Amino acid sequence: QKEVEQNSGPLSVPEGAIASLNCTYSDRGSQSFFWYRQYSGKSPELIMSIYSNGDKEDGRFTAQLNKASQYVSLLIRDSQPSDSATYLCAILIFGNEKLTFGTGTRLTIIP
Amino acid sequence: DVKVTQSSRYLVKRTGEKVFLECVQDMDHENMFWYRQDPGLGLRLIYFSYDVKMKEKGDIPEGYSVSREKKERFSLILESASTNQTSMYLCASKGAFEKLFFGSGTQLSVL
Repeated sequence: QKEVEQNSGPLSVPEGAIASLNCTYSDRGSQSFFWYRQYSGKSPELIMSIYSNGDKEDGRFTAQLNKASQYVSLLIRDSQPSDSATYLCAILIFGNEKLTFGTGTRLTIIP
Repeated sequence: DVKVTQSSRYLVKRTGEKVFLECVQDMDHENMFWYRQDPGLGLRLIYFSYDVKMKEKGDIPEGYSVSREKKERFSLILESASTNQTSMYLCASKGAFEKLFFGSGTQLSVL
């Protein structure tokens, strides 16, 4: 089982709708969770981090963490064409210095 | 803003050549990382460094070595380049709250 799993997509969502991206992880020692966005031909950039169970909102983005079920999700409200990108889930295991990334989900927002 | 600079955007090398990829960060970060990114495989950690002259193997260190003689500079070395090392190489440094700052990447082709 991979440490971090994401559906590779592509995920297509109409403009203005809610995009829902999901990520599951296998190590219960995972303590910190991150969502990176990567535009085609560009480097990843951090958009959200979450450390405790529940929801964390930042503008149109909401990260949700459920440690009991070992999943973390990212919701994008009022999706815009500029949200079209690959979204990478990353986790940090307690006592570890390195992030482990999922393979990413490619999101396309359809105008 | 944090700047992570990779010396080359595109690089073409021949099989068997020794290849140096350079990365410089300007924020006095202690932790620096080298990843490679391949379609369908996501970001995979090659090596990381948590201090000058200190290094740790990542998930796929075979065929690579690293050097960190100064805090701001982290170099990735391919001792004898092979075609299966054709990839996008991303350098990153880690700031507060475990946030990674990525360089713009080096697309390496080994012929």
